[in-house]
Amino acid sequence: GAGVSQTPSNKVTEKGKYVELRCDPISGHTALYWYRQSLGQGPEFLIYFQGTGAADDSGLPNDRFFAVRPEGSVSTLKIQRTERGDSAVYLCASSLSGTADTQYFGPGTRLTVL
Amino acid sequence: EDQVTQSPEALRLQEGESSSLNCSYTVSGLRGLFWYRQDPGKGPEFLFTLYSAGEEKEKERLKATITKKESFLHITAPKPEDSATYLCAVRVRGKLIFGQGTELSVKP
Repeated sequence: GAGVSQTPSNKVTEKGKYVELRCDPISGHTALYWYRQSLGQGPEFLIYFQGTGAADDSGLPNDRFFAVRPEGSVSTLKIQRTERGDSAVYLCASSLSGTADTQYFGPGTRLTVL
Repeated sequence: EDQVTQSPEALRLQEGESSSLNCSYTVSGLRGLFWYRQDPGKGPEFLFTLYSAGEEKEKERLKATITKKESFLHITAPKPEDSATYLCAVRVRGKLIFGQGTELSVKP
């Protein structure tokens, strides 16, 4: 079946601009996660949703970052006033239910802030 | 503090040369230790989950083991297609905490 999909695959923007990154989880998965991966590092947790609500947003670095999942399926990660330090690969993962199941990752969105 | 450390950072092997990757962890209340494979430009691909000391999982040339403080990913007679970055992670209150990964290169 279809895996986790993310769009766009690449995004280049200028410092100060607003960007939105989209994640389509595996059909039927109720939990959705966002991670950020810098070059040569492991992914770092940002936020996770159980259904429509954010169950844990402790990894969001500051208030420029925000994520939504209004219908409990697709999620959008929003970054305001982008900075060069935001450049990274943003990964989305989903799991069948709750937090006890395996997380399956999408291919990621590579964000470059010039 | 919950922490995961992987070693070595990079490993170069000749085809057929068996070796092991290490993942040391400190976490209050293990809820699963995960191994993923990541190819360049792609997302992590799930390999194994381990839950308790003494548990072992195998898949083709890979075997994962775990003790109370560390996990090992053993690679037997590797092939060039095993070249990738291998990530270890522990689950803490739902989220995964990753190590920095081991970049494995297998030369023919």
